[in-house]
Amino acid sequence: DVKVTQSSRYLVKRTGEKVFLECVQDMDHENMFWYRQDPGLGLRLIYFSYDVKMKEKGDIPEGYSVSREKKERFSLILESASTNQTSMYLCAGQGSNQPQHFGDGTRLSIL
Amino acid sequence: EDKVVQSPLSLVVHEGDTVTLNCSYEVTNFRSLLWYKQEKKAPTFLFMLTSSGIEKKSGRLSSILDKKELFSILNITATQTGDSAVYLCAVRGNSGGSNYKLTFGKGTLLTVNP
Repeated sequence: DVKVTQSSRYLVKRTGEKVFLECVQDMDHENMFWYRQDPGLGLRLIYFSYDVKMKEKGDIPEGYSVSREKKERFSLILESASTNQTSMYLCAGQGSNQPQHFGDGTRLSIL
Repeated sequence: EDKVVQSPLSLVVHEGDTVTLNCSYEVTNFRSLLWYKQEKKAPTFLFMLTSSGIEKKSGRLSSILDKKELFSILNITATQTGDSAVYLCAVRGNSGGSNYKLTFGKGTLLTVNP
């Protein structure tokens, strides 16, 4: 199984700050994903990456960008944080034809 | 656009009861359906289903897929308080040329009372 580690469990930032959420997977798998999870809306895909330096937009990419410089690391960037980006952020990794496995999540509050 | 609908949205039962959770879907070029359990943290993987009519089983949990009628069920027998969680259904298709994406339903909140 893929083991996925997110760098922070809880994070508090201010409006307008640039925020980095880090995610590392311990297997040599190509696919990595960033979701946000909000009450009543479920999990929504922000971005995903199927190889180093490759990325694709998910369903709600606005206000976010991503970076995949190394296979094991996938970063989510909030360019200028806003209060409506307060959420639980989940990273997932996936091997070929395998299920996605999730990290423990980062609960981000933007004040 | 791919779509996953779970029912019921919430369910309260007593320990020992059997429950059935439902998941219906519409997806372009279906590849697989997955069930996850989410307690306080991240979703944990339960089952991945790709073929119709073949039951997957793990202890008191089981799941089956019907690709003709486009739905899946997750059964939990002899429920315990530790089964209390949100159960998420997700489908993987080939929407927009991408075959990596999962589309999630909003989940079923199961509460098992002692």
